[in-house]
Amino acid sequence: GAGVSQTPSNKVTEKGKYVELRCDPISGHTALYWYRQSLGQGPEFLIYFQGTGAADDSGLPNDRFFAVRPEGSVSTLKIQRTERGDSAVYLCASSLGLHPDTQYFGPGTRLTVL
Amino acid sequence: AQKITQTQPGMFVQEKEAVTLDCTYDTSDQSYGLFWYKQPSSGEMIFLIYQGSYDEQNATEGRYSLNFQKARKSANLVISASQLGDSAMYFCAMREGNRGYQKVTFGIGTKLQVIP
Repeated sequence: GAGVSQTPSNKVTEKGKYVELRCDPISGHTALYWYRQSLGQGPEFLIYFQGTGAADDSGLPNDRFFAVRPEGSVSTLKIQRTERGDSAVYLCASSLGLHPDTQYFGPGTRLTVL
Repeated sequence: AQKITQTQPGMFVQEKEAVTLDCTYDTSDQSYGLFWYKQPSSGEMIFLIYQGSYDEQNATEGRYSLNFQKARKSANLVISASQLGDSAMYFCAMREGNRGYQKVTFGIGTKLQVIP
C-alpha cells in the first residue's frame, strides 16, 4: 500500500518568507508526527497529532512554527518569517496509535532558507 | 543525560560479514520500547526492528536482530550477512512508558559502509 508522502521534496526560500510543508499519512493511521533533522543529527520531535488535535506541540521551537491537521488525515507544517537556522529536512511520520505504535516515515522535505 | 547514545559515528564492514551497531539508553521507566531505523542516502527513515522492555526474547527480523541487555541498558543492532544495500545511517530510538502517547527520542546515528 501507499506509504507516507511529503510535498514538496525540496523547498528553497528566502529569509523572512512563509512556507508550508505537506504530509499525507498512511491511510488509517490516526497518529501523525513532525520531526526536524539537521545535518549529522537524528530526527528531533516537533509536534504530534492524534486525529485532528495537536496532542503534544512541545517540540515546536517558537511561535513561528505551526501545524494543522483539519480533517485528521493530511497535515501541513507552516513556518512564518523563515530564518537560515530553519534549514533542515522536515520528516513526517504516521502510526496506528496502538502499541507498540511503530512510526512510519515519509521521504522528508529538504528546506533551504537563503 | 542523553536518552539514547550511539557512540560509533561510522562503521565499516566487509560484504557478507556480520556487524554490530551499538546503542545504550537511559530511562527510569520500567516499560519502554526500543526501535532501530535505517536511513539510506535517499533520506527516508525505514523501520527495521522493535524490542519491548518486557520482551523476554531478543527481537529478530530477517537479517536483523537486536541484542537486548536490559541490565546494561543496551540495545545493539546486529546485521548478519551484510549487503552493499545496507550502507546507510542507522538510528536507535526509544519510547518511554506504555500508556497512551509517549514521545520517541532518537540517537544521532551510526553511518555504516559495506565494503565489497
